[in-house]
Amino acid sequence: GAGVSQSPSNKVTEKGKDVELRCDPISGHTALYWYRQSLGQGLEFLIYFQGNSAPDKSGLPSDRFSAERTGGSVSTLTIQRTQQEDSAVYLCASSSYRGGRTDTQYFGPGTRLTVL
Amino acid sequence: GESVGLHLPTLSVQEGDNSIINCAYSNSASDYFIWYKQESGKGPQFIIDIRSNMDKRQGQRVTVLLNKTVKHLSLQIAATQPGDSAVYFCAEKGYSTLTFGKGTMLLVSP
Repeated sequence: GAGVSQSPSNKVTEKGKDVELRCDPISGHTALYWYRQSLGQGLEFLIYFQGNSAPDKSGLPSDRFSAERTGGSVSTLTIQRTQQEDSAVYLCASSSYRGGRTDTQYFGPGTRLTVL
Repeated sequence: GESVGLHLPTLSVQEGDNSIINCAYSNSASDYFIWYKQESGKGPQFIIDIRSNMDKRQGQRVTVLLNKTVKHLSLQIAATQPGDSAVYFCAEKGYSTLTFGKGTMLLVSP
């Protein structure tokens, strides 16, 4: 079956520009996560959506970062006024939700963002 | 704060050897742990998980061991193959989100 997909796979932008990154989760998964992975580093949690609940935004590094999830499916991560330190791979994951807990997270291939 | 970390940043083995990747965690309340494999240019791929009520779990060529006394987690890969070359992350799952360690790179020589 189809896994998590992300677009674009690569994005090069200039400092100060806004970017939008898209995530299509696995069909039926109600939980969706965004992570950031800097070169040679582990994954840094950004934001988590579960159903119609208010998202957990505790990992967003600044108010330049925001995310939406429309219709409980597709999600868009927006970075405004990009800075060079925003350069990283942005990973999306989704999981099912059972018994009040989230299940195993499955990751997309990521979007590599380069800010010049 | 709480953290999940790895002892070895790079592990080099010969094809056919057994590999052991280690991970230390500090949150004694953690009850679920996951190992992910990440190949170059790809997202992390789920390998195996274990709950805190277990101390060992086996998959295909992989075994995860959990020692709650010393808060240590390990991933054992039997008969390592070149295709196993990747970065391996342990992750600790809270209520909903994951906390990842920095990863160990496994290099397998033919």
